[in-house]
Amino acid sequence: QSVLTQPPSASGTPGQRVTISCSGSSSNIGSNTVNWYQQLPGTAPKLLIYSNNQRPSGVPDRFSGSKSGTSASLAISGLQSEDEADYYCAAWDDSLSVVFGGGTKLTVL
Amino acid sequence: EVQLLESGGGLVQPGGSLRLSCAASGFTFSSYAMSWVRQAPGKGLEWVSAISGSGGSTYYADSVKGRFTISRDNSKNTLYLQMNSLRAEDTAVYYCAKDGLAVAGILLGYDYWGQGTLVTVSS
Repeated sequence: QSVLTQPPSASGTPGQRVTISCSGSSSNIGSNTVNWYQQLPGTAPKLLIYSNNQRPSGVPDRFSGSKSGTSASLAISGLQSEDEADYYCAAWDDSLSVVFGGGTKLTVL
Repeated sequence: EVQLLESGGGLVQPGGSLRLSCAASGFTFSSYAMSWVRQAPGKGLEWVSAISGSGGSTYYADSVKGRFTISRDNSKNTLYLQMNSLRAEDTAVYYCAKDGLAVAGILLGYDYWGQGTLVTVSS
């Protein structure tokens, strides 16, 4: 069971906007920044969002992140077929560890 | 170009040992914290361990504490994970990942990942 809670699945049609939630606690999301990763099948994860809402260079602005209290969200607008992947949130936990969400499998219908 | 290349994975019996290596290039290795993250077959990501850029601070997941040791050789631009007393539940693809900060007691984000090396613990 993961420390950060994500829905196991999400879906949307091309062009649609989807959001993926990530729920934590005061010791992780509540007091530290959140990252989001995209993992395409058979590949290593890729950093999508850091510091709650910052995009590394090369990540399309269709991807955005937000945080409020002990929860965070990843939004994907203008959904494309190539966005079909697993998405993970992560944060430092004050117990001196990194915690990940269980992952959300995004299906583009 | 940043590159992280893991090696050392393989099949090992329960109770055995293995040492993973991650050769880094394309950045000033000693300036960044590094971590090991694993993924069991068909499962999600699990953080294993982190080490600061200097190597002076290390952190471990409870599931591996006392069995795994993370280290780095900044003169060789290489990260290591010594895994002892291996269990079936340690079976996973092990990724090394670079953080955006030098310190390991916080997480900015893993901006580069290796391709992973598979560790299988089975008799």
